[in-house]
Amino acid sequence: DAGVIQSPRHEVTEMGQEVTLRCKPISGHNSLFWYRQTMMRGLELLIYFNNNVPIDDSGMPEDRFSAKMPNASFSTLKIQPSEPRDSAVYFCASSRTVDTEAFFGQGTRLTVV
Amino acid sequence: GEDVEQSLFLSVREGDSSVINCTYTDSSSTYLYWYKQEPGAGLQLLTYIFSNMDMKQDQRLTVLLNKKDKHLSLRIADTQTGDSAIYFCAEQASGTYKYIFGTGTRLKVLA
Repeated sequence: DAGVIQSPRHEVTEMGQEVTLRCKPISGHNSLFWYRQTMMRGLELLIYFNNNVPIDDSGMPEDRFSAKMPNASFSTLKIQPSEPRDSAVYFCASSRTVDTEAFFGQGTRLTVV
Repeated sequence: GEDVEQSLFLSVREGDSSVINCTYTDSSSTYLYWYKQEPGAGLQLLTYIFSNMDMKQDQRLTVLLNKKDKHLSLRIADTQTGDSAIYFCAEQASGTYKYIFGTGTRLKVLA
């Protein structure tokens, strides 16, 4: 298996623009997570999906952030409008079941200028 | 509350052993993980230990768990320059999806 695949690897955008981050989890995994990593706050869980259903989105910072999982092999994290403070590395992770080890993608480094 | 603490930096010489420490607070944690993050890369799962174990060894890696003190350590034997990275410990309570990550320990291996 290729592992968790995220795209793009790097994204630079202007403040106010819409940003969409994409994730393909490992086949057969039914849990998907979006994390954000910054120097100041470390790794923060943004949202968790189980069987394509959002279970916990309490970590989503604001209404500007939204996430979808239309099917078992694809998820998006959208920021609209983006702000400079959204600059971070965003990781997607998946696990076979809710309480087994999570495998992380390579991350998307987002820079909002 | 839930909190996982690690020292921020560790520097060792190539060939020496490295010991990275972690303390956690959630006594209900069932799994404890060690992840490695190389520059510009994602988190790579190195190893994990179930809370009813005291020790787990996997090649150059040894994980020790002191459940009474809520202390977890990762020992890397014969540390190599390729081991230079940030190491995160994480706790996961039984049956939950939530990982609580530590701040990460940046390991620098000197040639």
